Amino acid sequence: QKEVEQNSGPLSVPEGAIASLNCTYSDRVSQSFFWYRQYSGKSPELIMSIYSNGDKEDGRFTAQLNKASQYVSLLIRDSQPSDSATYLCAGKGNNRLAFGKGNQVVVIP
Amino acid sequence: DAGVIQSPRHEVTEMGQEVTLRCKPISGHNSLFWYRQTMMRGLELLIYFNNNVPIDDSGMPEDRFSAKMPNASFSTLKIQPSEPRDSAVYFCASIQTGTNSPLHFGNGTRLTVT
Repeated sequence: QKEVEQNSGPLSVPEGAIASLNCTYSDRVSQSFFWYRQYSGKSPELIMSIYSNGDKEDGRFTAQLNKASQYVSLLIRDSQPSDSATYLCAGKGNNRLAFGKGNQVVVIP
Repeated sequence: DAGVIQSPRHEVTEMGQEVTLRCKPISGHNSLFWYRQTMMRGLELLIYFNNNVPIDDSGMPEDRFSAKMPNASFSTLKIQPSEPRDSAVYFCASIQTGTNSPLHFGNGTRLTVT
């Protein structure tokens, strides 16, 4: 099993809708979790971090962590065209971050 | 804060040539990571250093790849000889461990091996 898996294909959402992204992780990366956003041709930038079970909200973004089921999700409310990017899920284990392959989100005006 | 600085931004080389990628981490950060990103495999960790010492190089694909960190402000990733399948974007990232600060990425080096 890969350390962090993101299996969904590209996600298209209409402007103003909610975009929902999920990832699962293995026991090797169980310390803390992060969502990075990467615009085309740019480097990843951190948008959310979550360390304990439950929800964490920051503006239009909500991260959810369920350690029993080993999954992390990201909700983007009121999606905007500027949210169109690839979103990378990352888990920390042994002092380094392992990343999923990412999910492309396209917000349609 | 200048951020993580990588050079060159783009590198085009012929198969068999030596390629050297460079990275200057953020001042004060004590851990440095080299990642490779491709469409097929996503963002893969190649190697990381803590206090200039290589800690985990299990992600380095082959002996053709080597990395050094001679001091706290400089690291190199070398590919010798390069092959077309090495074409990717190579990111360097740094962090100050023991804090809640995030991993900071450089702008990456886009390598094309023809």
